[in-house]
Amino acid sequence: DTEVTQTPKHLVMGMTNKKSLKCEQHMGHRAMYWYKQKAKKPPELMFVYSYEKLSINESVPSRFSPECPNSSLLNLHLHALQPEDSALYLCASSPGDRGLPVPSEGYTFGSGTRLTVV
Amino acid sequence: QQQVKQSPQSLIVQKGGISIINCAYENTAFDYFPWYQQFPGKGPALLIAIRPDVSEKKEGRFTISFNKSAKQFSLHIMDSQPGDSATYFCAASVTRSSGSARQLTFGSGTQLTVLP
Repeated sequence: DTEVTQTPKHLVMGMTNKKSLKCEQHMGHRAMYWYKQKAKKPPELMFVYSYEKLSINESVPSRFSPECPNSSLLNLHLHALQPEDSALYLCASSPGDRGLPVPSEGYTFGSGTRLTVV
Repeated sequence: QQQVKQSPQSLIVQKGGISIINCAYENTAFDYFPWYQQFPGKGPALLIAIRPDVSEKKEGRFTISFNKSAKQFSLHIMDSQPGDSATYFCAASVTRSSGSARQLTFGSGTQLTVLP
């Protein structure tokens, strides 16, 4: 299994709703990431989990809350979002280079969740 | 400086032609340079990647050329096909001292259109 699976594929939510995005991988990867991508722009890093611990938070507003229940799962909890938060949310995973002499090349993205905030 | 600069913003090539996309970086600590291909509504997919100790890497119709002294690298797509029409992103990353997670810095992207 060489995939990163994201659910749902599409999500429409109101500004007062609470929803969650889910990401799953079974490649044994130990680093998982959330990216946000606006149309015609590159992905922007939001959060990094390394060995199930949050290692990077790129100054993301608190209305986005990540969670890593185990090494295969990554969630992004959404609450009180704004219309400008509408974007493609991408999950990615990589092996985690700890102990390796050279960088690994298994950085894999999911297909994303298209989020629309109304 | 973490920025990766990519050009051109858009590229139109005839079927069978060569597509060339260029990237430049500032941070000499970068040690991994992947290229990603993204179709509309899909996540980026790793196309090919290179490390700074290699000047060229070829996989099928796709070649990366890497110039360490100039801090530049480029993607060449030979015999371009309409199915290659997509957005291409170069990226770079540096292994953190903890050697665990890898943070990618993306270029701004190139919209490639291959005409039939």
